[in-house]
Amino acid sequence: DTGVSQDPRHKITKRGQNVTFRCDPISEHNRLYWYRQTLGQGPEFLTYFQNEAQLEKSRLLSDRFSAERPKGSFSTLEIQRTEQGDSAMYLCASSLASQGPDTQYFGPGTRLTVL
Amino acid sequence: GQSLEQPSEVTAVEGAIVQINCTYQTSGFYGLSWYQQHDGGAPTFLSYNALDGLEETGRFSSFLSRSDSYGYLLLQELQMKDSASYFCAGRDSGGGADGLTFGKGTHLIIQP
Repeated sequence: DTGVSQDPRHKITKRGQNVTFRCDPISEHNRLYWYRQTLGQGPEFLTYFQNEAQLEKSRLLSDRFSAERPKGSFSTLEIQRTEQGDSAMYLCASSLASQGPDTQYFGPGTRLTVL
Repeated sequence: GQSLEQPSEVTAVEGAIVQINCTYQTSGFYGLSWYQQHDGGAPTFLSYNALDGLEETGRFSSFLSRSDSYGYLLLQELQMKDSASYFCAGRDSGGGADGLTFGKGTHLIIQP
Protein backbone atom coordinates (compact mmCIF):
# COMPACT_ATOMS: atom_id res chain seq x y z
CA ASP A 1 0.00 0.00 0.00
CA THR A 2 1.89 3.02 -1.28
CA GLY A 3 -0.78 5.61 -0.47
CA VAL A 4 -2.42 8.15 -2.74
CA SER A 5 0.02 9.85 -5.08
CA GLN A 6 -0.41 13.03 -7.09
CA ASP A 7 1.59 14.51 -9.91
CA PRO A 8 2.91 17.13 -10.26
CA ARG A 9 3.37 18.40 -6.73
CA HIS A 10 3.72 21.98 -7.91
CA LYS A 11 2.56 23.72 -11.06
CA ILE A 12 3.09 27.33 -12.04
CA THR A 13 1.25 28.52 -15.10
CA LYS A 14 0.21 31.70 -16.80
CA ARG A 15 -3.37 32.84 -16.89
CA GLY A 16 -5.23 31.36 -19.82
CA GLN A 17 -3.17 28.19 -20.05
CA ASN A 18 -4.55 24.69 -19.56
CA VAL A 19 -3.24 22.40 -16.84
CA THR A 20 -3.78 18.73 -16.05
CA PHE A 21 -3.18 16.95 -12.76
CA ARG A 22 -2.99 13.23 -12.12
CA CYS A 23 -4.03 11.21 -9.09
CA ASP A 24 -3.23 7.56 -8.41
CA PRO A 25 -5.43 6.24 -5.59
CA ILE A 26 -4.65 3.41 -3.23
CA SER A 27 -5.08 0.19 -5.16
CA GLU A 28 -8.47 -1.48 -4.70
CA HIS A 29 -10.03 1.81 -3.55
CA ASN A 30 -13.03 2.14 -5.82
CA ARG A 31 -13.94 5.70 -4.81
CA LEU A 32 -11.88 8.73 -5.79
CA TYR A 33 -12.49 12.35 -4.82
CA TRP A 34 -11.09 15.72 -5.86
CA TYR A 35 -10.98 18.67 -3.46
CA ARG A 36 -9.58 22.18 -3.60
CA GLN A 37 -8.04 23.92 -0.60
CA THR A 38 -7.00 27.53 -0.20
CA LEU A 39 -4.93 28.96 2.62
CA GLY A 40 -6.72 28.97 5.95
CA GLN A 41 -9.71 27.04 4.66
CA GLY A 42 -10.83 23.46 4.78
CA PRO A 43 -10.84 21.32 1.64
CA GLU A 44 -13.79 22.01 -0.68
CA PHE A 45 -15.34 19.09 -2.51
CA LEU A 46 -15.17 19.23 -6.30
CA THR A 47 -16.14 15.85 -7.71
CA TYR A 48 -16.27 12.14 -6.98
CA PHE A 49 -15.93 8.87 -8.90
CA GLN A 50 -17.06 5.40 -8.07
CA ASN A 51 -14.95 3.19 -10.30
CA GLU A 52 -15.00 4.95 -13.69
CA ALA A 53 -18.36 6.69 -13.18
CA GLN A 54 -18.40 10.33 -12.15
CA LEU A 55 -21.29 10.39 -9.69
CA GLU A 56 -21.23 13.85 -8.22
CA LYS A 57 -20.02 17.31 -9.14
CA SER A 58 -19.99 20.36 -6.91
CA ARG A 59 -21.31 23.65 -8.22
CA LEU A 60 -17.75 24.86 -7.60
CA LEU A 61 -16.75 22.83 -10.64
CA SER A 62 -17.19 25.31 -13.47
CA ASP A 63 -17.29 24.36 -17.14
CA ARG A 64 -13.54 24.99 -17.31
CA PHE A 65 -12.94 22.01 -15.04
CA SER A 66 -13.18 18.42 -16.21
CA ALA A 67 -12.23 15.19 -14.51
CA GLU A 68 -11.90 11.66 -15.79
CA ARG A 69 -11.19 8.23 -14.43
CA PRO A 70 -11.18 6.18 -17.64
CA LYS A 71 -10.31 2.73 -16.31
CA GLY A 72 -11.43 3.13 -12.74
CA SER A 73 -7.86 3.48 -11.53
CA PHE A 74 -6.00 6.80 -11.88
CA SER A 75 -7.83 10.07 -12.43
CA THR A 76 -7.01 13.34 -14.14
CA LEU A 77 -8.32 16.81 -13.40
CA GLU A 78 -7.99 19.38 -16.17
CA ILE A 79 -8.47 23.10 -15.83
CA GLN A 80 -8.87 25.02 -19.06
CA ARG A 81 -8.16 28.74 -19.49
CA THR A 82 -6.81 29.06 -15.97
CA GLU A 83 -7.62 32.15 -13.92
CA GLN A 84 -5.78 33.61 -10.94
CA GLY A 85 -8.66 32.49 -8.73
CA ASP A 86 -7.82 28.89 -9.58
CA SER A 87 -4.62 29.15 -7.53
CA ALA A 88 -5.02 26.60 -4.74
CA MET A 89 -3.95 23.19 -3.52
CA TYR A 90 -5.78 20.44 -5.41
CA LEU A 91 -6.18 17.35 -3.27
CA CYS A 92 -7.14 13.87 -4.32
CA ALA A 93 -8.51 11.28 -1.92
CA SER A 94 -9.67 7.70 -2.18
CA SER A 95 -11.77 5.40 -0.05
CA LEU A 96 -12.44 1.70 0.22
CA ALA A 97 -16.02 0.52 -0.13
CA SER A 98 -15.85 -1.58 3.04
CA GLN A 99 -14.67 1.38 5.15
CA GLY A 100 -17.27 3.77 3.81
CA PRO A 101 -16.93 7.23 2.27
CA ASP A 102 -16.28 9.00 5.58
CA THR A 103 -12.80 7.48 5.82
CA GLN A 104 -10.86 9.08 3.03
CA TYR A 105 -7.13 8.85 2.36
CA PHE A 106 -5.64 12.02 0.92
CA GLY A 107 -2.70 12.48 -1.37
CA PRO A 108 -0.04 15.19 -0.89
CA GLY A 109 -1.79 17.54 -3.31
CA THR A 110 -0.81 19.58 -6.34
CA ARG A 111 -0.18 23.23 -5.59
CA LEU A 112 -1.27 25.37 -8.53
CA THR A 113 -0.11 28.96 -8.93
CA VAL A 114 -1.64 30.97 -11.75
CA LEU A 115 0.33 34.10 -12.62
CA GLY B 1 -26.43 21.81 2.22
CA GLN B 2 -24.55 21.94 5.43
CA SER B 3 -22.09 24.10 7.31
CA LEU B 4 -19.72 23.18 10.13
CA GLU B 5 -18.40 25.68 12.65
CA GLN B 6 -15.27 25.25 14.74
CA PRO B 7 -12.95 27.65 16.58
CA SER B 8 -10.18 29.06 14.42
CA GLU B 9 -7.42 28.57 16.98
CA VAL B 10 -6.83 26.77 20.26
CA THR B 11 -3.71 26.92 22.43
CA ALA B 12 -2.73 24.24 24.96
CA VAL B 13 0.26 23.09 26.95
CA GLU B 14 2.31 19.97 26.26
CA GLY B 15 1.02 17.05 28.31
CA ALA B 16 -2.40 18.59 28.83
CA ILE B 17 -5.83 17.75 27.39
CA VAL B 18 -7.60 19.86 24.78
CA GLN B 19 -11.09 19.71 23.29
CA ILE B 20 -11.95 21.04 19.83
CA ASN B 21 -15.64 21.64 19.28
CA CYS B 22 -17.66 21.42 16.09
CA THR B 23 -21.26 22.44 15.56
CA TYR B 24 -23.11 21.81 12.35
CA GLN B 25 -26.24 22.83 10.52
CA THR B 26 -27.54 20.47 7.91
CA SER B 27 -30.74 19.17 6.48
CA GLY B 28 -29.52 15.61 6.83
CA PHE B 29 -26.40 14.10 8.23
CA TYR B 30 -24.58 10.76 8.07
CA GLY B 31 -22.03 11.38 10.81
CA LEU B 32 -18.99 13.41 11.79
CA SER B 33 -15.38 12.80 10.80
CA TRP B 34 -12.19 14.40 12.05
CA TYR B 35 -9.03 15.01 10.04
CA GLN B 36 -5.59 16.30 11.03
CA GLN B 37 -3.44 18.38 8.71
CA HIS B 38 0.11 19.51 9.42
CA ASP B 39 1.41 22.60 7.64
CA GLY B 40 2.20 21.67 4.06
CA GLY B 41 0.83 18.16 4.52
CA ALA B 42 -2.23 16.22 3.45
CA PRO B 43 -5.31 15.77 5.64
CA THR B 44 -5.13 12.52 7.60
CA PHE B 45 -8.19 10.67 8.85
CA LEU B 46 -8.46 10.51 12.65
CA SER B 47 -11.93 9.24 13.55
CA TYR B 48 -15.56 8.93 12.51
CA ASN B 49 -18.73 8.98 14.62
CA ALA B 50 -21.74 7.46 12.88
CA LEU B 51 -23.71 7.22 16.11
CA ASP B 52 -24.05 9.33 19.24
CA GLY B 53 -21.42 8.77 21.86
CA LEU B 54 -17.70 8.55 22.30
CA GLU B 55 -15.18 6.84 20.03
CA GLU B 56 -11.68 6.34 21.43
CA THR B 57 -8.52 5.74 19.42
CA GLY B 58 -5.40 5.93 21.54
CA ARG B 59 -4.82 9.49 22.74
CA PHE B 60 -7.64 10.80 20.55
CA SER B 61 -11.36 10.55 21.27
CA SER B 62 -14.30 11.93 19.34
CA PHE B 63 -17.85 12.55 20.48
CA LEU B 64 -21.12 13.15 18.65
CA SER B 65 -24.52 14.32 19.83
CA ARG B 66 -27.02 14.43 16.98
CA SER B 67 -29.74 16.01 19.11
CA ASP B 68 -27.41 18.94 19.80
CA SER B 69 -25.83 19.00 16.31
CA TYR B 70 -22.51 18.99 18.10
CA GLY B 71 -19.33 17.02 18.27
CA TYR B 72 -15.84 17.37 19.62
CA LEU B 73 -12.35 15.95 19.30
CA LEU B 74 -10.47 15.33 22.53
CA LEU B 75 -6.69 15.07 22.50
CA GLN B 76 -4.96 13.79 25.61
CA GLU B 77 -1.32 13.83 26.71
CA LEU B 78 -0.57 16.49 24.15
CA GLN B 79 2.73 16.25 22.32
CA MET B 80 4.47 18.92 20.27
CA LYS B 81 3.82 16.87 17.13
CA ASP B 82 0.07 17.38 17.69
CA SER B 83 0.50 21.00 16.58
CA ALA B 84 -1.59 21.01 13.41
CA SER B 85 -4.94 22.03 12.01
CA TYR B 86 -7.93 19.85 12.84
CA PHE B 87 -11.01 19.69 10.64
CA CYS B 88 -14.45 18.31 11.34
CA ALA B 89 -16.27 17.06 8.26
CA GLY B 90 -19.57 15.51 7.35
CA ARG B 91 -21.70 14.24 4.49
CA ASP B 92 -25.17 15.51 3.76
CA SER B 93 -27.64 12.64 3.48
CA GLY B 94 -30.20 14.91 1.86
CA GLY B 95 -28.63 14.76 -1.59
CA GLY B 96 -27.04 11.34 -1.34
CA ALA B 97 -23.66 13.03 -1.50
CA ASP B 98 -20.42 11.21 -0.78
CA GLY B 99 -18.16 14.24 -0.90
CA LEU B 100 -17.21 15.58 2.51
CA THR B 101 -18.01 19.12 3.65
CA PHE B 102 -15.24 20.40 5.88
CA GLY B 103 -15.22 23.07 8.56
CA LYS B 104 -12.63 25.83 8.24
CA GLY B 105 -10.33 24.08 10.66
CA THR B 106 -8.95 24.70 14.13
CA HIS B 107 -5.27 25.56 14.38
CA LEU B 108 -3.93 23.85 17.51
CA ILE B 109 -0.87 25.47 19.05
CA ILE B 110 1.04 23.42 21.63
CA GLN B 111 3.25 25.31 24.04
CA PRO B 112 6.05 23.61 25.98
